[in-house]
Amino acid sequence: NAGVTQTPKFQVLKTGQSMTLQCAQDMNHNSMYWYRQDPGMGLRLIYYSASEGTTDKGEVPNGYNVSRLNKREFSLRLESAAPSQTSVYFCASSGGWTANEKLFFGSGTQLSVL
Amino acid sequence: GEDVEQSLFLSVREGDSSVINCTYTDSSSTYLYWYKQEPGAGLQLLTYIFSNMDMKQDQRLTVLLNKKDKHLSLRIADTQTGDSAIYFCADPTLNMRFGAGTRLTVKP
Repeated sequence: NAGVTQTPKFQVLKTGQSMTLQCAQDMNHNSMYWYRQDPGMGLRLIYYSASEGTTDKGEVPNGYNVSRLNKREFSLRLESAAPSQTSVYFCASSGGWTANEKLFFGSGTQLSVL
Repeated sequence: GEDVEQSLFLSVREGDSSVINCTYTDSSSTYLYWYKQEPGAGLQLLTYIFSNMDMKQDQRLTVLLNKKDKHLSLRIADTQTGDSAIYFCADPTLNMRFGAGTRLTVKP
């Protein structure tokens, strides 16, 4: 099983450029999440999707948009990248939407915005 | 603001025990989690504890929970170089709030 697959693994953007991070899971999970990881700050939730067709803001949604394309796929879009968005981005999924579901993570996308 | 707090670094010698500490502010969680992140990889669930338990042991891992003080700890016995990683405690309320992570370095 592939689990949670993210693409690309690395990306360098110039300020103002746009890009979409792709995420797919093959575990038939209902819920999917996007986090960013910054040194000394742990993981912070950007957006989540509790089920197909729904999306909600997390802790740090500004500058991002998401699309839950179908049950498998959840993409994160940066419309106009800024240096403050330089980070490692992780997609995750879980089987249900309760406060206690464990998360399964992808291997991350390292994004640099110059 | 961060509702789950951890110290950022821990260094131990191979064979010693490691203790990673975490404090949390929310008291409604049914579970509390420990995740492990190896270099260049995503997080993987390491272990968890039910909120109605004080202790859980799983091979070399011991999780202690003090609900009164809202303190969670992870003890790794006989720490090996392969245990070098970043360890995150996580509170599943508030959309799985993570601590900043403790980087464990194991010296031979």
